[in-house]
Amino acid sequence: DTGVSQDPRHKITKRGQNVTFRCDPISEHNRLYWYRQTLGQGPEFLTYFQNEAQLEKSRLLSDRFSAERPKGSFSTLEIQRTEQGDSAMYLCASSFGRLAVNEQFFGPGTRLTVL
Amino acid sequence: DQQVKQNSPSLSVQEGRISILNCDYTNSMFDYFLWYKKYPAEGPTFLISISSIKDKNEDGRFTVFLNKSAKHLSLHIVPSQPGDSAVYFCAASAGGTDKLIFGTGTRLQVFP
Repeated sequence: DTGVSQDPRHKITKRGQNVTFRCDPISEHNRLYWYRQTLGQGPEFLTYFQNEAQLEKSRLLSDRFSAERPKGSFSTLEIQRTEQGDSAMYLCASSFGRLAVNEQFFGPGTRLTVL
Repeated sequence: DQQVKQNSPSLSVQEGRISILNCDYTNSMFDYFLWYKKYPAEGPTFLISISSIKDKNEDGRFTVFLNKSAKHLSLHIVPSQPGDSAVYFCAASAGGTDKLIFGTGTRLQVFP
């Protein structure tokens, strides 16, 4: 399978705990994106990387959230001191540069439940 | 501030008929529009896109129409098939940024 992969697929944690998610993009893609989706809403942009550089962050990404892409390949998204409001599906996507269609390929997501 | 709006949360269409999904936007800086399809437990899958310099783009059974003056786009699926049953998201991006702004989605159900 050469698509975008995310790990874990599901995560249940208690409020106040830290969690980390991993995304492996399509291998030749240099851009990587994180989105968050809550019930009944469309995906909301969080941040994106070109290679290892984080180019844009949404104001949704509070200080408790941090994302890295240390070698320009896989990325991690960490949430510290989780809150119940962090419960959502976290989606990762990747793309190659800025194609004419700006098509982003999405992974299956990590569903986070904060108890 | 919902910049991309899909006002119909659901749509039910008979197999073989046309499905029309609508999307409105408020930001005049948007220059690229995309439609994604999402099945349960999967990430969104790209369907079709259109640049703001065009008013129509067609790919097989899928056609997207853009009306810039009305800030409105629509996705036509002809003929509709049961496998098209999914949630459809409209998304937009503005020049100079790669982030996509999504609508809230329309759940399409195609029945036999």
